[in-house]
Amino acid sequence: DAGITQSPRHKVTETGTPVTLRCHQTENHRYMYWYRQDPGHGLRLIHYSYGVKDTDKGEVSDGYSVSRSKTEDFLLTLESATSSQTSVYFCATRRELGGYTFGSGTRLTVV
Amino acid sequence: DAKTTQPPSMDCAEGRAANLPCNHSTISGNEYVYWYRQIHSQGPQYIIHGLKNNETNEMASLIITEDRKSSTLILPHATLRDTAVYYCIVRVGTNAGKSTFGDGTTLTVKP
Repeated sequence: DAGITQSPRHKVTETGTPVTLRCHQTENHRYMYWYRQDPGHGLRLIHYSYGVKDTDKGEVSDGYSVSRSKTEDFLLTLESATSSQTSVYFCATRRELGGYTFGSGTRLTVV
Repeated sequence: DAKTTQPPSMDCAEGRAANLPCNHSTISGNEYVYWYRQIHSQGPQYIIHGLKNNETNEMASLIITEDRKSSTLILPHATLRDTAVYYCIVRVGTNAGKSTFGDGTTLTVKP
């Protein structure tokens, strides 16, 4: 979706290194989310934000942190990447009563 | 948010209507039903949502039973491009919405 940009689109990193994924939106949506998706599985919520500097944990938050210093940007950081964090990461935004709008995803490989 | 149950897979002939069921027997009065689909490895795409009335848009129709314990997404004239995983989720409309995506239904449209 043109209103959400995820970067990078692909990344390979080594075990133990920190990694930051960026989600940028131009929709001015209040809510932003980070999901991960593994082969054969649905989407699992990592963290979400309900406003600038307001974030909370999802169902699989261990090993991840987030920050939202302005409305348009939501950063996901893997503090020390592990092979179990190899996945496709999707960012999503949502206005108050609407559905989610998802980005195109970031494919992360931890070797 | 209430949990949902969907069949893991369905087939549909091209040009025929695809009817995808979703059970949400524990839905609360203030929870909406949302449908999304994910084509191959793309980010999920919002399709439609509703509270208790049937809804229709350019993509699909949503039929919600009177007791709101189940719903059906209808693709009136399925095409090969409708082959995807379809997710049904329920959530409160006005909170941050920690939505859980289950495994969804894999719809295969066959020529």
